Amino acid sequence: DQQVKQNSPSLSVQEGRISILNCDYTNSMFDYFLWYKKYPAEGPTFLISISSIKDKNEDGRFTVFLNKSAKHLSLHIVPSQPGDSAVYFCAAPNNSGYALNFGKGTSLLVTP
Amino acid sequence: NAGVMQNPRHLVRRRGQEARLRCSPVKGHSHVYWYRQLPEEGLKFMVYLQKENIIDESGMPKERFSAEFPKEGPSILRIQQVVRGDSAAYFCASSPLRTGNNEQFFGPGTRLTVL
Repeated sequence: DQQVKQNSPSLSVQEGRISILNCDYTNSMFDYFLWYKKYPAEGPTFLISISSIKDKNEDGRFTVFLNKSAKHLSLHIVPSQPGDSAVYFCAAPNNSGYALNFGKGTSLLVTP
Repeated sequence: NAGVMQNPRHLVRRRGQEARLRCSPVKGHSHVYWYRQLPEEGLKFMVYLQKENIIDESGMPKERFSAEFPKEGPSILRIQQVVRGDSAAYFCASSPLRTGNNEQFFGPGTRLTVL
């Protein structure tokens, strides 16, 4: 069963605009969330994370928002750049604290 | 580059053969995780190892799959008698600490194709 869901397989955004990538989860025990970015033929690289005690975490152009009541988080990229074109995975460690549950990913294309 | 190294990057096997995937973690990291990504899917946890110990193999198929992380040398994921359904990208990650609340550093993956 998919405990982390990314329902949009793809997203296309113009350069300079905001990209919003969404993620839903079903396990209310999750208390930490991570976003990974993946280019073709490479492994995922860590982008940004958020603890459940916060509702927002910002790092440069990247901001993650967490809505615990809705079991929803989103990644905002402002302004979007062509180099941001990649697959973005939302992930959360399971109850063990180490095994990451990944969503299926959203493929972002930023067009010039 | 002191990142996670995986080899081979691409591996082609015929049904029934064995596949051996190697992973060298970031220097100083003693925790290794293997994930599998099937086409159009997210990464799925397979196994977590520390040096010489398997901590959690709950995500690994019960048959044909095994993993080790010896005292010396890389971690090995071994798949015996491969079948077409084993075709996937296999990613190794490492971390300095056990918890997933710390970033796991991923290697570039091994893409296994079973003919």
